[in-house]
Amino acid sequence: QTVVTQEPSFSVSPGGTVTLTCGLSSGSVSTSDYPSWYQQTPGQAPRTLIYNTNTRSSGVPDRFSGSILGNKAALTITGAQADDECDYYCVLYMGSDFYVFGTGTKVTVL
Amino acid sequence: QVQLRESGPGLVEPSGTLSLTCAVSGGSISSGDWWNWVRQPPGKGLEWIGEVFHSGITNYNPSLKSRVTISVDKSKSQFSLTLNSVTAADTAVYYCLTSSPYRFDYWGQGTLVTVSS
Repeated sequence: QTVVTQEPSFSVSPGGTVTLTCGLSSGSVSTSDYPSWYQQTPGQAPRTLIYNTNTRSSGVPDRFSGSILGNKAALTITGAQADDECDYYCVLYMGSDFYVFGTGTKVTVL
Repeated sequence: QVQLRESGPGLVEPSGTLSLTCAVSGGSISSGDWWNWVRQPPGKGLEWIGEVFHSGITNYNPSLKSRVTISVDKSKSQFSLTLNSVTAADTAVYYCLTSSPYRFDYWGQGTLVTVSS
C-alpha cells in the first residue's frame, strides 16, 4: 500500500519561512507524480494552492511556492501570516489513474 | 465558476449502503473535467475515493474498489457515490469535487455521513 508522508506538525513565526515536505514510503517523488498542495481550515473544504509541482492556483499569494527538494515534493511558505495557520495536504498522482493524499501537516503560526 | 452540492442521508446503518449525490451547476458535467469523491473521517486526513468522466469511465482507490460505485447522470447534471457494506470506519465528511489533469479544482461544502445503528 502506498503511503504518502508529511510532517505531522510545524511551527513558524509570523513573517518567517517554513517548508513542508511530501514523501513516499518507498521511492522518490518526482514531477511525474504531479504533486499538488491543498490548504484546509477547520470545518471548511480544502482549497487548491499548488498543482503540477509548482504552479500556483488562481488567487493564491506568491508567498506559497512548490518544488521538488531531494526525493520529496515541498511547499514553502515565505513570510508566514496568521491566517496561514491551518492544515496542509499534498496529493500525488500514482499513475494507474489514482490519487493518494498525504497524511497532512498542521501549521501553527506563533 | 462550477458549484457543487452534496446531498443524501446523514445516517446509515452498519452493513448498509451509503448513497450520495452531487449536483453540478455553473458548468457542464460534459466538460473535460473529471468528477470526484473524497472523504475525511472526523479529526483525520483526506482520502480519495474515486472519479468518473462524463462518458462513464471510472477510476477508484484500490483500497475501496470492491465496495464503491461512482456514476454520472448527464440529464440531471449530477454524479453519485455508492458505498456498500459500510462500517463505523466509513463515518466521514464526504466531499464531491472536480479535477482537471492532476489537480483538484472546485470542492463542494461536504456532507457528514455517520454509520451507526
